[in-house]
Parts: sequence; C-alpha cells; structure tokens
Amino acid sequence: DQQVKQNSPSLSVQEGRISILNCDYTNSMFDYFLWYKKYPAEGPTFLISISSIKDKNEDGRFTVFLNKSAKHLSLHIVPSQPGDSAVYFCAARETSYDKVIFGPGTSLSVIP
Amino acid sequence: DTGVSQDPRHKITKRGQNVTFRCDPISEHNRLYWYRQTLGQGPEFLTYFQNEAQLEKSRLLSDRFSAERPKGSFSTLEIQRTEQGDSAMYLCASSLSGDSAYGYTFGSGTRLTVV
Repeated sequence: DQQVKQNSPSLSVQEGRISILNCDYTNSMFDYFLWYKKYPAEGPTFLISISSIKDKNEDGRFTVFLNKSAKHLSLHIVPSQPGDSAVYFCAARETSYDKVIFGPGTSLSVIP
Repeated sequence: DTGVSQDPRHKITKRGQNVTFRCDPISEHNRLYWYRQTLGQGPEFLTYFQNEAQLEKSRLLSDRFSAERPKGSFSTLEIQRTEQGDSAMYLCASSLSGDSAYGYTFGSGTRLTVV
C-alpha cells in the first residue's frame, strides 16, 4: 500500500522553463511534506518542506504547493537549470511517528 | 563536521554470508534512521533510534536484520545469512528531534550486492 505516490517516473524540460513535479498521498495524518533531490551515487538531499497547515512555501527557485483537500502537492522549479537534473522524491511524515515515507521518485532532465 | 558517513560504500558478498554496515551520524543529531532503496523505488524505512534506544522497526526488517546504536553515537546494521533479495542501497540518515521542517541528512549509502 503506497501512501506517497509519484505517478510520473520521468520528466524532461527545456532549460529556463518551469518544471512541475507532482505527488499524491493517501494518509490524512501526514503533518509535513518534504522534497528531496538525489544525484547518482549520492544520498538524497533535503530540498524544501511544507507544513500541512500551509498551502505554499517558497525558497528561491523552488516552490511547493499543497492542496490538502485533493491530497496533492507539487514542486515548481523556475527557471529550470541543467544542474537540476536529478531524481526528486516526494516524502511525508506522519504526526504520531517520526519517520518519513518516500514516494518512488521522478527523474527530471533539464535540457540545455 | 563532515555530515553523515557510511562505510563501506560498496559490498559484494556471497549468498549466506553475514555483512555489517556502519553509519556515523552528525554529532549533535540524536535521531538516526536506516532506509533501504532498490532500483526505481524510493527509500523504504527500516528502523530508527533516538539516542541509543531503537524506537521502531519496519515489518520489512526480518529476523535476519539487526541494528544497534551503542552509546547513542554510531550505528551498525547487520544482515545475517544474506539473500539475493537483500541486494540494495542501504541509506543512513540523522536528524535532531523536533526539526521536522528540515528533513533528514542522508549519507551516501552502502550498496550491497549479494551474488
């Protein structure tokens, strides 16, 4: 039973354009949502998070939007750069547990 | 502080052998996590510690797996009688309790190949 879903295994975007990565979840008890970025042969790196009581969080080129009624969140990267090419994991934490559950990831390719 | 360190980076072992991995977390972090990642999947939670106490173990963690964190510092993950299905990247992460907004800091992982 996959609680965090990323239905697009891959995404290609032109440099300078917007990248939108989507994520859906099933557990309404999640209180924090996080995005991680992973390069080959490295561990995931924390990128940005959002509390379940907010609907938007912005950090430079990265913005995460949360739609609780739809149990959906998205990560917007604008403008996209070739160095953003990586696998992006959506993740969520449940209130009563201190563990983070990850989605399967979306591989982003930013084409120069 | 150099972040979370994992050793070894790669391990090839024969089926049936025992293996042990080590993780050194960020020194001021009191929580330490083990995850496993297979190709095309996200990291799957295995277990976590707060200081030296192991607080939760996933159903994924069979009796062949054991983890320790003596003195609340480094941690070891041992797999006994390895099977080919154990082949994966084993990731360690650490955090400070209460820092939910800032995520975990992961190490670079140990890639296990069981032949």
